[in-house]
Amino acid sequence: EAGVTQFPSHSVIEKGQTVTLRCDPISGHDNLYWYRRVMGKEIKFLLHFVKESKQDESGMPNNRFLAERTGGTYSTLKVQPAELEDSGVYFCASSLVGTATYGYTFGSGTRLTVV
Amino acid sequence: GNSVTQMEGPVTLSEEAFLTINCTYTATGYPSLFWYVQYPGEGLQLLLKATKADDKGSNKGFEATYRKETTSFHLEKGSVQVSDSAVYFCALLPMDSSYKLIFGSGTRLLVRP
Repeated sequence: EAGVTQFPSHSVIEKGQTVTLRCDPISGHDNLYWYRRVMGKEIKFLLHFVKESKQDESGMPNNRFLAERTGGTYSTLKVQPAELEDSGVYFCASSLVGTATYGYTFGSGTRLTVV
Repeated sequence: GNSVTQMEGPVTLSEEAFLTINCTYTATGYPSLFWYVQYPGEGLQLLLKATKADDKGSNKGFEATYRKETTSFHLEKGSVQVSDSAVYFCALLPMDSSYKLIFGSGTRLLVRP
């Protein structure tokens, strides 16, 4: 089966611009998660979708970040306007059931650089 | 709060050397513990896990034992290979969340031929 796909793999944008990251989960996985790793530090939870609904967005840093999951398939994460501190690697993961106990399948991430 | 602390890298070893990557955690009760690995150009993969105290997770020659008394989950491998070069992340799943993993900052391992 195809894994979790993220694109672009890299994005370099200027401060103040808008960037949209996309995640295609494994087909049939209702649960989709966004995480990010900033400045080589911890990977931190951003939010969790169940189908098209946001189950938990407690990790979203501020209102410059908007995540959507239209139709319960792929998801996008938009940063508008981007700031320097948004630089990092954004990971997406999906799972069939809404628990991490069995492990998630992660994508290879999008490396975002804001200059 | 919940947190995971890993030894800072990079860790550089020669092939066939013994590997230990330290991981300690802070959490209430009995969280589940994980090691994830990210090989170059790939996504995070679950390497092994342990869900209760004294459990030992193992996979691909790697092992880690859930030590409640020392709140640790150190990763070990008896003989590393060049192909083990990757970034290793320790993580926990708190008892009060079924899906929100808490990760450490990662440890890069470089194995030289």
